Amino acid sequence: QVHLVQSGAEVKKPGASVRVSCKTSGYTFTDSHMHWVRQAPGQGLEWMGWINPKTGSTNYAQKFQGRITLTTDTSIRTAYMELSRLRSDDTAVYYCARDRWRDLANWGQGALVTVSS
Amino acid sequence: QSVLTQPPSASGTPGQRVTISCSGSSSNIGSNTVNWYQQLPGTAPTLLIYSDYQRPSGVPDRFSGSKSGTSASLAISGLRSEDEADYYCAVWDDSLYGPVFGGGTKLTVL
Repeated sequence: QVHLVQSGAEVKKPGASVRVSCKTSGYTFTDSHMHWVRQAPGQGLEWMGWINPKTGSTNYAQKFQGRITLTTDTSIRTAYMELSRLRSDDTAVYYCARDRWRDLANWGQGALVTVSS
Repeated sequence: QSVLTQPPSASGTPGQRVTISCSGSSSNIGSNTVNWYQQLPGTAPTLLIYSDYQRPSGVPDRFSGSKSGTSASLAISGLRSEDEADYYCAVWDDSLYGPVFGGGTKLTVL
């Protein structure tokens, strides 16, 4: 059974960076791209980017280019999302989601990131 | 503003059949398959329908998906109180090389 377990809630000040982790189990980690999707309070889903754990290649939504870095550590089957220069409108729940074939078949439980001075 | 257009809300009574639409264009829905996600209150989204109409194991056959041209629909028959959730359509965007989501539809079971 596939499981994606994310790190806990974070509170950050504007201008800081945050790193969210996503520890996986139940499938071959390098066989599936990992996406990151966020959801601001009361809002819809917003795709941020994906990473290929096998090659390390990434693709970021233009909105986040220059601020987002996706990485993986294959030895511990974990994906990471780092977002820098945080603003108040980055307050959201951040999800990792495993790509099966252009569908997001499994999701982490989400990590709330609050940006507040 | 989302690339895919969904009604913000839908409702029905227990046992009824409801449909949720998702409208796109030839560059998204018209050229790639549609997925639907269900997000129960306070939880992460889950994959409900993939490849236009396929159901992952464990999803009841009360849920069905269809697509025609640049629009897709999610139908829920035999509506139950536990179906009250937000529903999102999504499709792969070949220019983004990533998924785009509809704005979501909040389903209320009256």
